[in-house]
Order: sequence, then structure tokens, then C-alpha cells
Amino acid sequence: GQQLNQSPQSMFIQEGEDVSMNCTSSSIFNTWLWYKQDPGEGPVLLIALYKAGELTSNGRLTAQFGITRKDSFLNISASIPSDVGIYFCAGPFGGSTLGRLYFGRGTQLTVWP
Amino acid sequence: DTGVSQNPRHKITKRGQNVTFRCDPISEHNRLYWYRQTLGQGPEFLTYFQNEAQLEKSRLLSDRFSAERPKGSFSTLEIQRTEQGDSAMYLCASSGGARGPSYEQYFGPGTRLTVT
Repeated sequence: GQQLNQSPQSMFIQEGEDVSMNCTSSSIFNTWLWYKQDPGEGPVLLIALYKAGELTSNGRLTAQFGITRKDSFLNISASIPSDVGIYFCAGPFGGSTLGRLYFGRGTQLTVWP
Repeated sequence: DTGVSQNPRHKITKRGQNVTFRCDPISEHNRLYWYRQTLGQGPEFLTYFQNEAQLEKSRLLSDRFSAERPKGSFSTLEIQRTEQGDSAMYLCASSGGARGPSYEQYFGPGTRLTVT
């Protein structure tokens, strides 16, 4: 299957710091989605990106669709303890119209108060 | 609507037993997906329905697995003769979009299966 590579694998930061993480693929994606998952729960959709170069914000979260269509970035500003969780990037491969999503392995974020 | 719901939230079963999970999607969504997630991994696609039609199945979905969506609303995922390797979180998601593909999938809380 398609591989999405997320980095870093984990991050340990202090409350108030900004966070950056990214997701890369060897294949072109036409859509990028970012999800957050808390322990024992399902992923929650944070941001959806549909156009190369697009920059979209959701509160303190900002995500960008890379111009090569092979990467995406997620930034969290002024982190707070409830930002703790695993952040996944996901997307449908190529021109798939069926909506099957491929996921990365996630970035585990820990925020120290 | 309160979102995607899944039942049960947890299931412990002995190897060889059959289990069935239920998913109720967001009511106006016509697409429904099943994923499986193991520790340290992202969700992996299992199967997909549009209305009552099962349109795609992953090779992960062995012949011990069957999914149905009989009236295009809720869906069930059954695993027959469970094996310890089936232990995972089973996630259901739904999406809408009567006018074309909608990749914004909304997930339920999952069913955690433990096979002993």
C-alpha cells in the first residue's frame, strides 16, 4: 500500500511552545487530512487540504499542502496540555474516487505543563 | 446528530469464537468505512460501502471477515473463528457528499477487540 512517512515520531515540548510536524509520500496526493487521536478513542478530523500550496487554519492549528503534492505540514502554536495525543496525516492515493484513506504512523505529542 | 457510534466499545473473546461489531454512521452520510488499527500504527483500511453496496475490500479482509450494510444505514463487521492476531481497535468512519467524493471521514470511538 501507499506509505506516508510522518516526522518526528514523537515530540516532548513545554506548554506554550510551538510545534511543527510533517508528512511525506513518494506518491502524489490530491487531498491531505490531519487527524488527532486521544488514547482509546477514534481519530478526530482537524483540517482538510485540497489544493497544492493551500494554507488552512483551525484555531491554533495551521496546515499546509506542499506544492509538490507529496508533503504536508501541521503547526500548532502556543501548545496547551490538551494538545497531547497522536497526530496522523492521511489522504486518498492519487486519483482515487472511492475515498479509501491511507494513514501515516503518527506523531506522538507530549506537552509538559 | 451526535456523530458516528460504535458498539460495543470493548470486546474480550476467546480464540475461535465469532464476534460482531456494529457501526451507526452520521445519518446523512452515504459512505461508510471500516478500518483496523494496531498499537503504534495508523488506521488501515478494511472495506467501504456506498449506501448498501460494498464497493471495495482490502486484502487485509480475510475470508473470516464479513461486513454488511443491509439498508444503507448501520453496518456490522463480523469476524469468525477469531485469532489472537485479530486483536486490534476496529474503527468505523462515515462521509457524505451526494455530489461527488468526500474525503472528510468522521470516525467513531472504535471497538477494542482482545482475543485471548
